[in-house]
Amino acid sequence: QQPVQSPQAVILREGEDAVINCSSSKALYSVHWYRQKHGEAPVFLMILLKGGEQKGHEKISASFNEKKQQSSLYLTASQLSYSGTYFCGTIDTGTASKLTFGTGTRLQVTL
Amino acid sequence: DGGITQSPKYLFRKEGQNVTLSCEQNLNHDAMYWYRQDPGQGLRLIYYSQIVNDFQKGDIAEGYSVSREKKESFPLTVTSAQKNPTAFYLCASSIRGGPTYEQYFGPGTRLTVT
Repeated sequence: QQPVQSPQAVILREGEDAVINCSSSKALYSVHWYRQKHGEAPVFLMILLKGGEQKGHEKISASFNEKKQQSSLYLTASQLSYSGTYFCGTIDTGTASKLTFGTGTRLQVTL
Repeated sequence: DGGITQSPKYLFRKEGQNVTLSCEQNLNHDAMYWYRQDPGQGLRLIYYSQIVNDFQKGDIAEGYSVSREKKESFPLTVTSAQKNPTAFYLCASSIRGGPTYEQYFGPGTRLTVT
């Protein structure tokens, strides 16, 4: 069963912030975040491991709440280049190697 | 330059024909993966391989076959048994299989079957 992402789509003005959520019904080992531009391959953003960690990369950061089986991706002071579809991928404790992707959140940043 | 190559970028086939999609990596990665992406959808795992001469079915393996005879190559065959083969196919690799390794994706092959 694939993780559920919310919102499905969001439109931002440049400089605004956004939060994308990813929720699973299974106990998770790790959560992966990717960004995909239209017609291109997904690009890796970050991995979060169980243990409730947070990670950051410039103005994009994420958290992982192991108990709630949820992860959130935070985009601050958004830039036009942040536009794309964001996918979370989860690896549950039962499968160890299989990454299951959510259906994605389409983010559009405008001037 | 290290990376993953997929060829061709666009592929057109008639219904009833088998077609093989190429995936090659020179990253020296042990694990390789095939995903399918339909419009507005996420990626769904078809097959994956953690080591040469071994592979496992993913969530939607029916109608597909793979081989892993060399570390750097993981071709995917879409057979005539696949009911809806038209899709964007993405190949990926990681240093090893497992929950802590990021996956690197190739540019994809867009397959259209009519």
